[in-house]
Amino acid sequence: GIQVEQSPPDLILQEGANSTLRCNFSDSVNNLQWFHQNPWGQLINLFYIPSGTKQNGRLSATTVATERYSLLYISSSQTTDSGVYFCAVEMAGSGGSNYKLTFGKGTLLTVNP
Amino acid sequence: NAGVTQTPKFRILKIGQSMTLQCTQDMNHNYMYWYRQDPGMGLKLIYYSVGAGITDKGEVPNGYNVSRSTTEDFPLRLELAAPSQTSVYFCASSWGMNTEAFFGQGTRLTVV
Repeated sequence: GIQVEQSPPDLILQEGANSTLRCNFSDSVNNLQWFHQNPWGQLINLFYIPSGTKQNGRLSATTVATERYSLLYISSSQTTDSGVYFCAVEMAGSGGSNYKLTFGKGTLLTVNP
Repeated sequence: NAGVTQTPKFRILKIGQSMTLQCTQDMNHNYMYWYRQDPGMGLKLIYYSVGAGITDKGEVPNGYNVSRSTTEDFPLRLELAAPSQTSVYFCASSWGMNTEAFFGQGTRLTVV
C-alpha cells in the first residue's frame, strides 16, 4: 500500500515563530488532507488539498502531486497550535483498498509561551 | 448540522465483554469509516462502507463487526473484547471517494 512519511516527528517552537511541516507519499493520490489533533484528541480538518495551494488565516498548505509531497506552513505560531498534525492521503484509482485515507504518523508540535 | 456523532465518549470493558460503538452522520454522506488510533500512531482503517447495505474490511478488521442498514448510521461491534483493542476509535464520513472526510470526536476504549 501507499506509504506516508511526515517530518519532523517532533517540533518545539516559541510563540510567534514560523514552521513548515512536510508530508511525502509514495504513490499517486487523488485526495490529501491535513488534520490537527488537539490535546483533547479531536481531529480538526485543516485543508483538503490534493493539489495546489490554499490559505486559511495563519495556516497555508501546498501540495505538489507530481513530486509526491505536501507542505503545511504555520506562521506566527500560538500556544493553541500545539498538538499533532496529520497528513492523510487517498490513492488514485478506484475500488478495494483505495477507499480509505492512509495516515502518516504525525508531527507533534509544541508551542511554548 | 451536528456532523459525525459518536457515542459513548469513554468506556471501560472487561476482557470477554461485548459492546457496540455508535456512529451517526447528518450530512447525507455515502461513505463511512471506522478507524482506530493507538498511542503515538496514525489512524488505521478497521472497516468501511460505501453505502447502505455495503461494508468491507480495512487493514485491521479482526475482532470487529459492522453493519450499515441506513445511510446515517454505521455501528461498530466488538465481540469478546481483548486488551489489544484498547484504543481510541474514530468514525468518519465522506460524500464519496476522493472527497473530504469528516471525523467524529472519538471513543476512548479501555479493556481490562
